[in-house]
Amino acid sequence: QLQLQESGPGLKKPSETLSLICSVSGGSISSDSYYWDWIRQPPGKGLEWIGGIYYSGSTDYNPSLKSRVTISVDSSKNQVSLTLSSVTAADTAVYFCARRWGNGFDIWGRGTMVSVSS
Amino acid sequence: SYELTQPPSVSVSPGQTATITCSGEDLGDKFASWYQQRPGQSPVLVIYQDYNRPSGIPERFSGSNSGNTATLTISATQAVDEADYYCQAWDSGTGVFGAGTKVTVL
Repeated sequence: QLQLQESGPGLKKPSETLSLICSVSGGSISSDSYYWDWIRQPPGKGLEWIGGIYYSGSTDYNPSLKSRVTISVDSSKNQVSLTLSSVTAADTAVYFCARRWGNGFDIWGRGTMVSVSS
Repeated sequence: SYELTQPPSVSVSPGQTATITCSGEDLGDKFASWYQQRPGQSPVLVIYQDYNRPSGIPERFSGSNSGNTATLTISATQAVDEADYYCQAWDSGTGVFGAGTKVTVL
């Protein structure tokens, strides 16, 4: 059974760069034609799509975050990574990784909380 | 940018039908998905491509999409269905979520 697990630092300072990892188990990132996406949720608020990467490396980003976001895939480690630069308090959120399937997101990780504070 | 509008809250009595709407310009020309999120948990896909249910999702969950409105219907609502529900669609390669609807089972 495919599982996704996010990991990364729980606390960042304003202006720093945030790096998160999504580890995929129970299947290979590169064995099927899927997108792997990042979605975030600020405390008490709704979901925001950040962007996604195709198993081949092609990426899509939310225009509102595009200038600060990089998503990459490491097939050898079966991982997808998210980098978000110049973070502010507005980037405080739970960050989820998810598999894109059927125009939706069918498998989600548990999420990792990231707080941005000085 | 594209927007999806949902009512903030819906209340329903146990055993009754809950209807959640999601409005967006020409939404019927796009595929809509719906997610259930219980407090402290990750979202769960309950409807994809307008009306399809993933394996394991109860039949009481159904969806439709036409014109500018997608609708999630929960029939014979149970206490376990109390959660936040989000619609989602794609616009020009960008994923867009509605703000969410809190379903309360009274």
